[in-house]
Order: sequence, then structure tokens, then C-alpha cells
Amino acid sequence: AQSVTQLDSQVPVFEEAPVELRCNYSSSVSVYLFWYVQYPNQGLQLLLKYLSGSTLVKGINGFEAEFNKSQTSFHLRKPSVHISDTAEYFCAVSGISGKSTFGDGTTLTVKP
Amino acid sequence: DTGVSQDPRHKITKRGQNVTFRCDPISEHNRLYWYRQTLGQGPEFLTYFQNEAQLEKSRLLSDRFSAERPKGSFSTLEIQRTEQGDSAMYLCASSLETGASSGNTIYFGEGSWLTVV
Repeated sequence: AQSVTQLDSQVPVFEEAPVELRCNYSSSVSVYLFWYVQYPNQGLQLLLKYLSGSTLVKGINGFEAEFNKSQTSFHLRKPSVHISDTAEYFCAVSGISGKSTFGDGTTLTVKP
Repeated sequence: DTGVSQDPRHKITKRGQNVTFRCDPISEHNRLYWYRQTLGQGPEFLTYFQNEAQLEKSRLLSDRFSAERPKGSFSTLEIQRTEQGDSAMYLCASSLETGASSGNTIYFGEGSWLTVV
């Protein structure tokens, strides 16, 4: 079985400040890891994914994440956030089937 | 842009009625997934198809729920005798899976909101 824990339900941050959204996972098999963003009343958009190789993954909109196998973490970071980054962010894990297990989300609110 | 499209986007129905949602995946995608999302929660897996074959169903998918993908293209999700607890957003997603590899990008539709009153 797979599970995902997003450690912060809400993260308020000022514009141009750095941000980290934390994600821990558990799985008995090798996994693929993803971060998605969801804007109000919309579906999910892929930010980045880790399949294998380099543990530092770069995605769209200036986001990056680091896979840490020993700590079973996949934290999302951005060095300088914008107002437009305000959204819900979901961490997800999937296996061979492609079926994904999602965390409960982190609401990122960027304040001016 | 021919992304994943879902219809209807919003549905309000009375308890006990049946509802059906349709999903049109990206045309060359062979995998199609259904998820359910309630407020404040992440999406929960319901079921998925490889072409027309339904390969897995979640225990969340009670007998009142049925999904089909008859020709391996579009899919429908029907909920019979709706209950207030069925109120949620139903998300469809698709991907192109080749061979034994996975981790390919899953593309989500914008969801179908269901409100049961």
C-alpha cells in the first residue's frame, strides 16, 4: 500500500520569499513521485515528477523538488514566489499501474 | 488544444436520482482514470481502464457506481440512486502507457462537480 502525507495544510508566505512544501510518502515498492497544482474550480496540472536518476527535479513555473529516499520525502521548493502561485498543491505517488495516491494538499497563499 | 474534457462540468441532482458523467481523454491515450475529490481532500482513486478493459476498482466504488469505456476511447461514470455523500468533484485523467514503463504524465480534466440535494 502507498500513502502520502503533506505535512502542512496551509502555508502563508510573502511575495518574493522562498517557500518549501513538505511531502513524505510510504511505499513497499519503488515509486514515482509527482507534484501537482490546482487552481480554484480547475483540474490538476503537473508541476514536476521524479521517475529515476537525479534526485533534484526541476519543473514548471520555477519550482523544483528533491527526492530523498532515506527520508522518504519529496519536498517542493521555490526560491521566490509570486502572487500567481497562490493555489492548492498536491503531492502524489504512483507505482507500475500508474494509479496515483494523493496527499490531502497544501494551500499556498502568497501575500503582497 | 485537445486535452481531457469532461461533461457536464456541474450537475445538481436530487437524492435518489441517477447521474452520468462523460470523459473524453486525449485521443492517443490508452489509460483512463477516474478520481473523486471532496473539499479539503486530495483526489481519491476510483477506477482505471487500459483501453476498454477495467483493470482496477477501488473499494470506494460501491455497487451504485459503474464505469465503462466501451470502445477504448471515451468513458462514462454512472452513479445510481445518488446520496448526499456522493457530492464531490469527479476527475478524469488519461495517459499513454507503453510496455512495462510507467510514470508517464497523467493529464487531468477540469472535473465534473456533483451536488446532491
